[in-house]
Amino acid sequence: KQEVTQIPAALSVPEGENLVLNCSFTDSAIYNLQWFRQDPGKGLTSLLLIQSSQREQTSGRLNASLDKSSGRSTLYIAASQPGDSATYLCAVRNQGGKLIFGQGTELSVKP
Amino acid sequence: DTGVSQDPRHKITKRGQNVTFRCDPISEHNRLYWYRQTLGQGPEFLTYFQNEAQLEKSRLLSDRFSAERPKGSFSTLEIQRTEQGDSAMYLCASSLDGTGTYEQYFGPGTRLTVT
Repeated sequence: KQEVTQIPAALSVPEGENLVLNCSFTDSAIYNLQWFRQDPGKGLTSLLLIQSSQREQTSGRLNASLDKSSGRSTLYIAASQPGDSATYLCAVRNQGGKLIFGQGTELSVKP
Repeated sequence: DTGVSQDPRHKITKRGQNVTFRCDPISEHNRLYWYRQTLGQGPEFLTYFQNEAQLEKSRLLSDRFSAERPKGSFSTLEIQRTEQGDSAMYLCASSLDGTGTYEQYFGPGTRLTVT
């Protein structure tokens, strides 16, 4: 059974810092991995998707990496801003199609 | 290009009542998913459709839950005889499978409160 874990559960950093969020999964037989952002009481916004054959994806200040063999992914956020404050979720997609989510990392960027 | 929409956004109901939620996916997407999220947790898969066929249901989807996707367009999720434990955010997502990245796009969610 696939399990996804995100560490840390919460993170508080001063504005301008670079930071890394971690995601690990137990079964390497994944189709892809998505990183999402969720603001309080809102739906999920897709940030990056990495196919199982890829090693990383970049979008603006965000970079996500994937090491399928070790069951790990990281989301790197450069030059953090207060507007980045949100909960970040990673999810792996199995061959069937459903996403299995971690519990999220709640990020607070202080001005 | 409109995204995934859900209606209603908020629903307060008394225990024992039936509720129905609607999801409209991105128009050309053939897959539609339902997830449930409780406070402080990541979303959990409930069920998904490919066109009008319901292909998988989670064990979380008890007999009180039913989902439909008539004609492969919008979907409804009905909860009968609601219980306080049903209080959660119900999220809908859609994707275009068969081509492209299979990326799932989420709607704003329906927050259900059972009193």
